[in-house]
Amino acid sequence: AQSVTQLDSQVPVFEEAPVELRCNYSSSVSVYLFWYVQYPNQGLQLLLKYLSGSTLVKGINGFEAEFNKSQTSFHLRKPSVHISDTAEYFCAVGNQGGKLIFGQGTELSVKP
Amino acid sequence: DTAVSQTPKYLVTQMGNDKSIKCEQNLGHDTMYWYKQDSKKFLKIMFSYNNKELIINETVPNRFSPKSPDKAHLNLHINSLELGDSAVYFCASSSGTTYGYTFGSGTRLTVV
Repeated sequence: AQSVTQLDSQVPVFEEAPVELRCNYSSSVSVYLFWYVQYPNQGLQLLLKYLSGSTLVKGINGFEAEFNKSQTSFHLRKPSVHISDTAEYFCAVGNQGGKLIFGQGTELSVKP
Repeated sequence: DTAVSQTPKYLVTQMGNDKSIKCEQNLGHDTMYWYKQDSKKFLKIMFSYNNKELIINETVPNRFSPKSPDKAHLNLHINSLELGDSAVYFCASSSGTTYGYTFGSGTRLTVV
């Protein structure tokens, strides 16, 4: 069975500071990994995904994530956040032909 | 044109009523999903259809019945609504797990 753990439920940060949102997964098979963002009262939007190949993946809005197989992690990073990045962020794991399992979400709050 | 559209966006109803939520996608995807997001933002898959065939049916009360008249539509009917059914219900579609999902904007169901 697969599972995802987002290690921080809330991350407050000041504008223009760097941020890292942590995600660990558990799976006995090869996985695909995703980060989604949910702005208030909206649906989820895909930020980036890892399928295979280079372990550093770049996404939209200046976000990137690094896949670390030995640590079973897929942490999301941004070097300088904006007020507009305030949202809920979800890490998800899936495999071929399967469903996406989502983590509990991390609320990123960017303060001026 | 909205890629995955859900109606209604808000639904307030009394306990015991029966209600339906509709979902349509214009992306040509073969697979559609229903997810439930609870008050703590946790996302849990409920159902998945591939080309009108039910492929995922999680542990959901049988008061919930999905229907897919064609691969572009997936509706959710809920009988005898209970207070605990209050949540945001998201429809999503994909052309395969590796591509990620495209989500609708959600239906906020409030049972009073």
